[in-house]
Formats: sequence, C-alpha cells, structure tokens
Amino acid sequence: DQQVKQNSPSLSVQEGRISILNCDYTNSMFDYFLWYKKYPAEGPTFLISISSIKDKNEDGRFTVFLNKSAKHLSLHIVPSQPGDSAVYFCAASFVGYALNFGKGTSLLVTP
Amino acid sequence: EAQVTQNPRYLITVTGKKLTVTCSQNMNHEYMSWYRQDPGLGLRQIYYSMNVEVTDKGDVPEGYKVSRKEKRNFPLILESPSPNQTSLYFCASSQSQGGTQYFGPGTRLLVL
Repeated sequence: DQQVKQNSPSLSVQEGRISILNCDYTNSMFDYFLWYKKYPAEGPTFLISISSIKDKNEDGRFTVFLNKSAKHLSLHIVPSQPGDSAVYFCAASFVGYALNFGKGTSLLVTP
Repeated sequence: EAQVTQNPRYLITVTGKKLTVTCSQNMNHEYMSWYRQDPGLGLRQIYYSMNVEVTDKGDVPEGYKVSRKEKRNFPLILESPSPNQTSLYFCASSQSQGGTQYFGPGTRLLVL
C-alpha cells in the first residue's frame, strides 16, 4: 500500500522559473518528511527535510512546505537551474518506522 | 569523508549463480538497509538492520538474504539470482530507523 504518493511522474520547467514538486501521504502518524534528489548513475542524496512541528523549511533555493491537514508536502525550487534536472523522491517516517518513499518525479529544467 | 560504499557498481550474471553485493559505511550508523529501484516503482526496501545481528524483512525480501556481523558492513546476498532481480540496488545507512538516510552510489545488476 503506497503511503507516500508523487502523482506527477515528470515535470518540465524553464530555467529561472519556479519548480514545484508535490507529494501526498496517507498515514497521519508521519512526522518527519524528506526530499531526496537523484542523478542518473548516482545514489539518492538528501536535499531537505521538515518535521511536523513546522510548516516551512528553507535552504537556499529550496523550500519545503508541509500542510498537515491536507497531508500534503511540496518542494519549491527558485530559481530553477539546469543542474536541478534530476529525479526527486519524497519520503516520510515517524519514530521507529522506516522511511516510506514516493515513486519519484523527474524534473527537467530547460535553458 | 562520510560515505556509503557499494561493490561492485555493475554486475552481469546468469540465473542461479550466487552473488554478494557489499555495502560499507563509515559514519558509525546503527541502521542500514537495502533498496531496489525499478522503473515506475520507485525505491522499495528489501531488508534492513537495526544493529549488529539484528535484521528484518522490508517490503520485497523474497530471493534475498542479508547479514550484519559488523556495524559498518551490510552485504546483500542473492543465493540463486533470477531475471526478475535485474534492478538497481542501493544500500543506505542512518543513525536511526526513521532518520535521514545516506545512500551508496548504487549497483546495477543484470541477471541473464
């Protein structure tokens, strides 16, 4: 049963614009959320996280927003750069529970 | 440098020939796990280990074995590989089960 869902398999954005990647979850016990970025031929790398006590976390060009009532998570990349082209995985967990990953969204940033 | 290493990075084998993919981390993490990534299916957990000598099944454990004799190493064993185990495999480690995981570079396996 897929508890973390990324409903958009792919997204294309022009360089300089905002990229918004979305993630929905079903388990209300999740209290820790992460985004990973994956380039071809490399392992996923941790990008940014947020705990359920916050609704926003920022790190440079990357901001994650959490809407607990909607069980929705989003990653904003502003401004998008060609080097941001990668597959982005959303993940969620709670204490004593393994990370649960979405299926990923492939982002293409075009010049 | 903090890292998770996997070997080999690429492997072509034939059905039934036992193989082992090694995984090692230098961050003194207690939790380690193996994932496979397949098109359209994302990352699925195969096995995980909470600590030395403590391992348990993930979502897709059939056809795999693991061991955790030392804290830093967590090998993945395919006793009798089959073509449906052709996949991209990732090892990961974290300080705790639900914590931020750090991934290895991946092992691409082709079973003929």
